[in-house]
This record gives sequence, C-alpha cells and structure tokens, in this order.
Amino acid sequence: EAQVTQNPRYLITVTGKKLTVTCSQNMNHEYMSWYRQDPGLGLRQIYYSMNVEVTDKGDVPEGYKVSRKEKRNFPLILESPSPNQTSLYFCASSTSGNINQPQHFGDGTRLSIL
Amino acid sequence: AQSVTQLDSQVPVFEEAPVELRCNYSSSVSVYLFWYVQYPNQGLQLLLKYLSGSTLVKGINGFEAEFNKSQTSFHLRKPSVHISDTAEYFCAVTHLLNYGGSQGNLIFGKGTKLSVKP
Repeated sequence: EAQVTQNPRYLITVTGKKLTVTCSQNMNHEYMSWYRQDPGLGLRQIYYSMNVEVTDKGDVPEGYKVSRKEKRNFPLILESPSPNQTSLYFCASSTSGNINQPQHFGDGTRLSIL
Repeated sequence: AQSVTQLDSQVPVFEEAPVELRCNYSSSVSVYLFWYVQYPNQGLQLLLKYLSGSTLVKGINGFEAEFNKSQTSFHLRKPSVHISDTAEYFCAVTHLLNYGGSQGNLIFGKGTKLSVKP
C-alpha cells in the first residue's frame, strides 16, 4: 500500500531535549515536505526537499533541521525544542518537484513541548 | 508574496443542502490552485486541482471548484452535501515557474470547517 509513515504519532517532551520525527514514503517520490498545523493558521511549510541531498526552507524553518540522505526518508529534527513548537506536524511526498502532482500526506505527529 | 484567504472559518449546513467554501488568493504571477480535505485525526487528501485549461474543475466526492482569474478566487462547491463531508477543507496555492514547474512550496489557507447536520 502506498503510504507516508510518520513516527511517533504522539510525543510529549520537555524544552531543550533534542527530538527527531521520522518520515518515510514507499512510493519512490522525489519531493518531500514538512508542515506544521496550528489552530486558525492552517498548514505552514517548514522545509521541503526536491530530491536527495536537496533541501530548502519553507515559510517557518526557524528551530528545525532536516536531512535527505535517502530518497525514502526525510526526518525532521528539533535540536532544542521550545513550547512554541507544540503543534501537529505533517510529512508529505509527491512524484516530483513539479507541484501538479498531488502530495500524499502522512497521518500526522502531535508534539507537545512542556 | 502569495497568500490564500479562506473567508469562512466555519460553515454549518444541513444534509442535502448545497455548499460553497470560499477561497481567494493573491499572487503577482500565475499559480496552481488546490483544495484539500482533512477528516478528523487524518492527514490531508487532495480533492481537486487547477493547473490550466477549463476553469471548472471536478474532483472527488462530488466536489467542484471554479477558477476565476479576474476575481482571484477558487471557490469550492457541492450541490448536495452528506454527513460524511464533515471535515476541514484547505485551499492552497503555489507559484507557476516559467518552465511549467513550481517553486515547490505550497501555501495553505487557514482552513474552513464544514459541519453537516442531519
């Protein structure tokens, strides 16, 4: 089954403790992206990647890092999480950087930073 | 800079009534436009997209949207809604580049919660 898998689905942690949210897709997609969803703000893009070893900042990259060493994986790293990063995070992928291909979304990761 | 405005944060309707969810965008260049739906505790699914050609776009689950360049709008419509259409709907836009591709960053509106009552 074609899917985008995020782990963990839920995480409660404390300020400053480094964490990584993994994202993996099994569709051989070149394009991957991370979003955060906050009430009343919709989805905002954090980072995206057009292909392996190619990443770019989205609209809200501060406090986040990403890497794209393999095509299937696109982890989101919070080096020193803060409470304002408490949010619902979605990973997405599509067949190419050409956005006319639909993005496939994971089921989300809910992070709570205390 | 491009932006997307969804004019209604919540839309309550009765089952079998028609519905229109409004979306306006601003951009100085050509755009691709999308509507996504998010059911509770799930990720987003693509409903429909406008890339070029006919301004009336049909999507899944009986939804359609009309691109109006002069009004910079891309409103989503369904002639008769079902309880199962209760969800949050997001309009999104991305810039069209010269070669036909995009910048790769999708700008979302803040969402409209559609609540269908029996």
